[in-house]
Amino acid sequence: NAGVTQTPKFRVLKTGQSMTLLCAQDMNHEYMYWYRQDPGMGLRLIHYSVGEGTTAKGEVPDGYNVSRLKKQNFLLGLESAAPSQTSVYFCASRQQGGAEAFFGQGTRLTVV
Amino acid sequence: KNEVEQSPQNLTAQEGEFITINCSYSVGISALHWLQQHPGGGIVSLFMLSSGKKKHGRLIATINIQEKHSSLHITASHPRDSAVYICAALGGSNYKLTFGKGTLLTVNP
Repeated sequence: NAGVTQTPKFRVLKTGQSMTLLCAQDMNHEYMYWYRQDPGMGLRLIHYSVGEGTTAKGEVPDGYNVSRLKKQNFLLGLESAAPSQTSVYFCASRQQGGAEAFFGQGTRLTVV
Repeated sequence: KNEVEQSPQNLTAQEGEFITINCSYSVGISALHWLQQHPGGGIVSLFMLSSGKKKHGRLIATINIQEKHSSLHITASHPRDSAVYICAALGGSNYKLTFGKGTLLTVNP
């Protein structure tokens, strides 16, 4: 049982390049989330999904897109990376109701 | 203003001390989540609670729904407890978590 797996763990991008971060969970969770973590800011919600085929914007969605074609996977895309997107990205999943969240190990992204 | 406030922001303790980290929230919630993050590491769930108290080893979490306040206590602290502790409120809609900015705990031997 792997839990929540994020790939890649590290990446360096040049400004304007694109990339996709993959989040996979094997717990059959309905809800999945993408957060970014920046010094002094705490975790901020980028996008989330409450089920397969559905996505919604969080607090800081600009510059990102997401897809949830399969229940177990939640993809975060950066179409044209900017230095302001340098951050640590965390994916999380949880079951419906008051269940606790499970987090991936994080992706450290640097945009130069 | 963040809807979830933690205090203190930084805490330094000597090994063996009793630690308390506080979390206050201004929104209606269905549950509160305590998480731990070691430097450069991932985020691990410690507790999810909606009332009363929960205990796991040396960690105790309490919540007072009426006062909109939760505390995380660590008894007999140890250097390996050094980490960032984060509280997160699960909103009434039941799908969004709102995070505090975290408390950096350093336990010296």
